[in-house]
Amino acid sequence: QKEVEQNSGPLSVPEGAIASLNCTYSDRGSQSFFWYRQYSGKSPELIMFIYSNGDKEDGRFTAQLNKASQYVSLLIRDSQPSDSATYLCAAPPSGGSYIPTFGRGTSLIVHP
Amino acid sequence: GAVVSQHPSWVICKSGTSVKIECRSLDFQATTMFWYRQFPKQSLMLMATSNEGSKATYEQGVEKDKFLINHASLTLSTLTVTSAHPEDSSFYICSAPPSGRAKDTQYFGPGTRLTVL
Repeated sequence: QKEVEQNSGPLSVPEGAIASLNCTYSDRGSQSFFWYRQYSGKSPELIMFIYSNGDKEDGRFTAQLNKASQYVSLLIRDSQPSDSATYLCAAPPSGGSYIPTFGRGTSLIVHP
Repeated sequence: GAVVSQHPSWVICKSGTSVKIECRSLDFQATTMFWYRQFPKQSLMLMATSNEGSKATYEQGVEKDKFLINHASLTLSTLTVTSAHPEDSSFYICSAPPSGRAKDTQYFGPGTRLTVL
C-alpha cells in the first residue's frame, strides 16, 4: 500500500526564516509530487508540483525531490505569518487509479 | 487553474433530515470526482470516488446508504447525507482531476461545512 509520511508538527519558525517541510514516500514508482496548502477552515490549494529530481522554484517556494531517497520537501523562504497553514504532500495516482495519496499534513506556524 | 465549486458553502440542519451537497467543475470535464470529509484538526479522509455514469466506489467504513453519491454529468457530482446526525457534522470537500489533462492533478472545491443540530 502506497504511503506518504509527514510530521504533523507544528513547525514553528520566526518571520523571515526559511521553513522546511518534509515528506517521505513508500512507492518507488511515484514520478511526481504535489504540495497543497490548507488554511484553517478552508479546502486545500495546490501550490507546487514537481516531476523530476532536483529543485523547482516558484517565488518564495522551492520543491525538492530526491527519488533515490524517496524524499520530497518544500522550502519557504522569507516566511510570513500569512504562510501559517497546514501543508499537505501528495503522491499521484498509479496503476490506473485516479486516487492520490495524501500525507497527514504538517502544521506551520510563522510567528512575528 | 481549473475551478471546482461547491454548494452550499455551509448548511445547518436538524437531526434526521437529509442534506444535498453539489460539486461542479466549472471549466473542465471530470469523469471522476472525489468526496472527502475532514473533522477539526484532522487530516482529509477520502469517503468515496464518484464516477460519471456509474456507481460510486466507497472507502472502507463509509456507509453507502447514508452517503448517496450521484454523478449524472461530466461536470456535476452530488453527495446526499441522509438522515443526518450530529456526528455527521464535518467539513465536506470534493475534488476532481481534469480529464484529458495531467490526470494526477487534483483541484479542490471550497468545501461545505455541515452542522447537524
